[in-house]
Amino acid sequence: AAGVIQSPRHLIKEKRETATLKCYPIPRHDTVYWYQQGPGQDPQFLISFYEKMQSDKGSIPDRFSAQQFSDYHSELNMSSLELGDSALYFCASSYGQGMETQYFGPGTRLLVL
Amino acid sequence: AQRVTQPEKLLSVFKGAPVELKCNYSYSGSPELFWYVQYSRQRLQLLLRHISRESIKGFTADLNKGETSFHLKKPFAQEEDSAMYYCALSGEGYGGSQGNLIFGKGTKLSVKP
Repeated sequence: AAGVIQSPRHLIKEKRETATLKCYPIPRHDTVYWYQQGPGQDPQFLISFYEKMQSDKGSIPDRFSAQQFSDYHSELNMSSLELGDSALYFCASSYGQGMETQYFGPGTRLLVL
Repeated sequence: AQRVTQPEKLLSVFKGAPVELKCNYSYSGSPELFWYVQYSRQRLQLLLRHISRESIKGFTADLNKGETSFHLKKPFAQEEDSAMYYCALSGEGYGGSQGNLIFGKGTKLSVKP
């Protein structure tokens, strides 16, 4: 069965650069969630989209933005990168919002130097 | 405030021994509770959710609203159970919608031969 796809899997950037992370949900899933997991930390919710509209917002810095496109894939744009942005970024998708089961992608590991 | 607490960072047991991973939550409404597992270098995978009342890989978890707990149990641990286990809660989102997961800090289970 198709799973959530994230690209790239690894990314190295310098401070103050920008990065774009992509997430391709499971086919027919209409909801995408983004989470950030720092080293040794639990995943923290950043933002979510349902039917291409932002549905909820968590601890996402103003330097970050995201959107969901017509094909339901989502992109997380990160600008003015800081050392503290180094983390594993997970995308999850579900069919419908609310308490539906979320299926996670493998994550993008971002390292900011 | 919504919160998930996993008091043990590391739990080490011998193969064949019973396992209990503790999870307590704080939530004012009716939450949906999940257990996710993360094997080494793999994505987060749903292990079970309380609403389905399933037993996956021999694991069970019962929601105790009186004690606000959702402990994960397995009568006989196997070496392949060694992984990071996250308890998560789905409830009212920051924007009022539901869906985003709130994770505990995770418990690393190590099953020794």
